[in-house]
Amino acid sequence: DVKVTQSSRYLVKRTGEKVFLECVQDMDHENMFWYRQDPGLGLRLIYFSYDVKMKEKGDIPEGYSVSREKKERFSLILESASTNQTSMYLCASSLSQNPEGTQYFGPGTRLLVL
Amino acid sequence: AQKVTQAQTEISVVEKEDVTLDCVYETRDTTYYLFWYKQPPSGELVFLIRRNSFDEQNEISGRYSWNFQKSTSSFNFTITASQVVDSAVYFCALYNFNKFYFGSGTKLNVKP
Repeated sequence: DVKVTQSSRYLVKRTGEKVFLECVQDMDHENMFWYRQDPGLGLRLIYFSYDVKMKEKGDIPEGYSVSREKKERFSLILESASTNQTSMYLCASSLSQNPEGTQYFGPGTRLLVL
Repeated sequence: AQKVTQAQTEISVVEKEDVTLDCVYETRDTTYYLFWYKQPPSGELVFLIRRNSFDEQNEISGRYSWNFQKSTSSFNFTITASQVVDSAVYFCALYNFNKFYFGSGTKLNVKP
C-alpha cells in the first residue's frame, strides 16, 4: 500500500512565523503535490514537483515555497505565516509512468495561524 | 478550461437510504480521467475509482456504483443502502495533462 505521511496533524502558529510542513512517501513516486483545502473551494494546488530539486507553481503559490532535496520528501514552507493561510494542507504523490495520474494522499495538516 | 462542479454542498440521509452524488465536468480534451475520492473525518483522501474518457461502462463495487455519461459530461456516484460509515466528504476530480481539477466536494451525512 502507498503510504504518505505528514509530519503534523495539527499546528498552531503565530502571524509572521516561518512554518515547515513535511511530507514523506514510501512508494518511490516521482511526483509530489501540496494542496490546501478550504470549505466550499475544494482542493487547490499550491506547488508540485516531478523530480528531486524540481518544483512547479500551482494555482495559488503566493506566500509559499517548497523544497525537494530527496525523492521521498516534499516540504512546504510558509515564509511568514498569515491568518489567511489558516487551512487544511494535503500532500499527495503519484507515479510519473502512470498515465491516469492517480494521486495518493496523506492525512492532512490542519494549520491555525493566530 | 477544465472545471468540475459538485452542486450538492451537503446531503443528509437516513441509514439504508440510497443516495446519489452528482458530478458535472467541463473539458475540451478527448482524453481525460475522472476520479472519486472519499474524505472521512480523519482527513485523508481515499481513492475510490478512476475512469478514462473512452470507457463509459458503468461500474459497481459492492454498494457503490458509478454512472459515466459523456453526453451530459457527468460522472455520478450512487451509494446503495447507505451506512453511517459512509459519512464523509466526497470529491469528484478531472485529470489530464498532469493536472487534477477537483470539485468543491459534497458532504454526506448518514444518520442512524
